[in-house]
Amino acid sequence: KAGVTQTPRYLIKTRGQQVTLSCSPISGHRSVSWYQQTPGQGLQFLFEYFSETQRNKGNFPGRFSGRQFSNSRSEMNVSTLELGDSALYLCASSVDIDTEAFFGQGTRLTVV
Amino acid sequence: AQTVTQSQPEMSVQEAETVTLSCTYDTSESDYYLFWYKQPPSRQMILVIRQEAYKQQNATENRFSVNFQKAAKSFSLKISDSQLGDAAMYFCAYRSWKTSYDKVIFGPGTSLSVIP
Repeated sequence: KAGVTQTPRYLIKTRGQQVTLSCSPISGHRSVSWYQQTPGQGLQFLFEYFSETQRNKGNFPGRFSGRQFSNSRSEMNVSTLELGDSALYLCASSVDIDTEAFFGQGTRLTVV
Repeated sequence: AQTVTQSQPEMSVQEAETVTLSCTYDTSESDYYLFWYKQPPSRQMILVIRQEAYKQQNATENRFSVNFQKAAKSFSLKISDSQLGDAAMYFCAYRSWKTSYDKVIFGPGTSLSVIP
């Protein structure tokens, strides 16, 4: 069974640009959540989707958005990139909201 | 708001020895989940062990076990017979049982080194 797949693995963008990250959950998983990991702030919750609906959102500005498609694949978008957005972005999927979450390997975003 | 604290930024253990990582949390809820995740240098988060708050029995998973003290809001991880592959960042995490709060809150992490 394939694990959670995040693409791309590495990304370099310039300040002011926008970026879209993709997450393909494990087959059969309906819940996808996103996290930002930085050395200074640690792991912070971004948002969670279940059956195409955003169930919860963390304390991030509106520049961070996401969506989930009918096949459970999810994308997150960051507009008007800032240097502080440089981070490892992790995606996790689970069968349901209260079941074990499996993480992808992350996308390393560097903003220059 | 819920918080998770890990007071040991770094720890080390001799191979084959036992080590305990500490975690405390703050919540006003009675139903929740607690987790320990491991993040090796590859950066992929791996679930080590999970505990449901309503269960009094401490969870165990092979060499990994927890000491869950609900009243004290403490959730420590014990690694027995430490192996070189156990070297990683370990994150304690909390997840509310309520659907409106079902985001996972992570502690700052403990970096574990295993000495051969």
